[in-house]
Formats: sequence, structure tokens, C-alpha cells
Amino acid sequence: DAGVTQSPTHLIKTRGQQVTLRCSPKSGHDTVSWYQQALGQGPQFIFQYYEEEERQRGNFPDRFSGHQFPNYSSELNVNALLLGDSALYLCASSRRRTSRETQYFGPGTRLLVL
Amino acid sequence: RKEVEQDPGPFNVPEGATVAFNCTYSNSASQSFFWYRQDCRKEPKLLMSVYSSGNEDGRFTAQLNRASQYISLLIRDSKLSDSATYLCVWGGMDMGRRALTFGSGTRLQVQP
Repeated sequence: DAGVTQSPTHLIKTRGQQVTLRCSPKSGHDTVSWYQQALGQGPQFIFQYYEEEERQRGNFPDRFSGHQFPNYSSELNVNALLLGDSALYLCASSRRRTSRETQYFGPGTRLLVL
Repeated sequence: RKEVEQDPGPFNVPEGATVAFNCTYSNSASQSFFWYRQDCRKEPKLLMSVYSSGNEDGRFTAQLNRASQYISLLIRDSKLSDSATYLCVWGGMDMGRRALTFGSGTRLQVQP
């Protein structure tokens, strides 16, 4: 049973560029959440997708957008990259109707903005 | 005030020691609590859920004190493999559909 997968594993971009990160949820999961983890900090919630719609959003600017596809996979897009966007981006999946089950994380994409 | 506060450590302990971490949270409506473990440059992994009655899993014991709004993690007989960052996490009523709020983590280094 494959867990949560993310691609790419590492990425280097320059300021002002745009980036797209991808996530495939664990089998049987229908909800995808994205988190940003800066060095030395805990993960910070960006947003969550269910049924191809953004359901909840954290305190992140509109430069951060996402999408969920019919097969439940998801993309995170970041426009106009800033140096401060350098972080580990984590995708977590869960089953929306299973209230007592927590979220499972993928290995993350490490983004460096120069 | 941060929503979840943890002592960042590091906690340097010898093998076999008992070590305890505390974490305070500010949202009294918090419904579910967890401890996650994160190894260096890896993703967080669920260590255990935290229940009001306290729960134990082998060498690990978690406690929740709603009145004082803190949770704790006790690790007995520390192993070298316990070296990691331990993240205190709370979530809403339905864990699958709510954002998880993480503390900054407490780093543990178990030494031979």
C-alpha cells in the first residue's frame, strides 16, 4: 500500500519565478492538506482540498494556490517566489469521513529560492 | 502568544534515561492532540494520540491536562533511536478534515 508521495524531492528556483509541487494521497484517502515547514519550525498549514475545492485556508497570501484532481491528487502553486518561501513543503492526506484518523505526511519537497 | 508552545531543547540525555516534554496550547476548544516525531530532513510521523485519560505505548506515555491546557510526553529507557524532534500537535473535532496546528518541536539527543 503506497503512502503519500510527493514530487519533486528538491527544487531550486530564483526570486520571482513560479513553482508547482505535486502530491498523491495515500490509497483510500480523499482529502489533501499542504503545509510549509521553515527551518527550525513546525509545519504551518497552507490549505486543504476535498472534492476538488479548497475547504480551509491558513494565513498564506494569494500567491499560494492549489488544485485537486478527480483522482484526489493535488498540486500546490506558488507565484512570484520570495526568498522567504524557501522551506520544506509537506503534503498530508486523510479520509474526510473518518473523524478519528489523523493525517499522514509525504516525504516533502525541499524548495530553495535564490 | 503562539497557539502551541514547546521548549525547543535540545534535551541531551544518556541512554536509559527518562525524559519528559511538555507542551502548552492556547485554544481551549482544541479537541484532539497528538505527538508526532520528525527525524532530521524527514516528514513528521504520528507517534501517538493523546487522550484525556492518558495513554501508554511501550516506553511512551502521553498525558493531557485540559484544565491547565498542556500535554506531556514521557519517554522511559531512552534509546539512541529516540533521537529526533518531537512535535506537539492539536487538531479540531474531525482530525481528517481540520488543519493541524504544530508546535516548533523539542529536539531530543540520546547519547551513548
